[in-house]
Amino acid sequence: QTVVTQEPSLSVSPGGTVTLTCGLTSGSVSTTYYPSWYQQTPGQAPRTLIYNTDSRSSGVPDRFSGSILGNKAALTITGAQAVDESHYYCVLYMGSDIWVFGGGTKVTVL
Amino acid sequence: EVQLVQSGAEVREPGESLKISCKGSGYTFANFWIGWVRQMPGKGLEWMGVVYPGDSDTRYSPSFQGQVTISADKSISAAYLQWSSLKSSDTAMYYCAIVGVQDGFDFWGRGTLVTVSS
Repeated sequence: QTVVTQEPSLSVSPGGTVTLTCGLTSGSVSTTYYPSWYQQTPGQAPRTLIYNTDSRSSGVPDRFSGSILGNKAALTITGAQAVDESHYYCVLYMGSDIWVFGGGTKVTVL
Repeated sequence: EVQLVQSGAEVREPGESLKISCKGSGYTFANFWIGWVRQMPGKGLEWMGVVYPGDSDTRYSPSFQGQVTISADKSISAAYLQWSSLKSSDTAMYYCAIVGVQDGFDFWGRGTLVTVSS
């Protein structure tokens, strides 16, 4: 069974840039997987940040951007702020109305 | 305004059955997949399955196939997640969301906390 991989944790300095990735244990991620990204703070429902690889959801600051980097999907936070300290999850569409979440990345801003 | 309103927290004993709901409003409920996502305490998000309310077509993650039943009633704009025999390992927060291939998990409910304990 294919697993969606994410870095367990990353840290970034305030004002810095951090890139989270979303890969596959077997194969490469492309736009045909329609990668999407979600932010979740403790006790809250997830919030949609990016869908369809690089489209920002309504109200999401432009410091969040999505892309394909090499063989993975990527979420980049440019000019990180303290409020960005959170868990981030990617989701890949595997076809046939099947989706798979990555394990999540905890981003620390320090 | 799009809304997904989930039913309230539940406490059950192992072996009991349960059905939780997710009611949509502010959009054409029948025309969009509703997905269910589990989050066990302190853990990540897991996709469980989806239902298309228009024709009640369902898809399940292999991890949840046979463990839960997902359904919908388009006449009242509601989707459901049910268990016939709960286990303590079903203790988790369960989220519903509007799901699309390109849009991903576009809009989320606030979640239903299910606690299974004797």
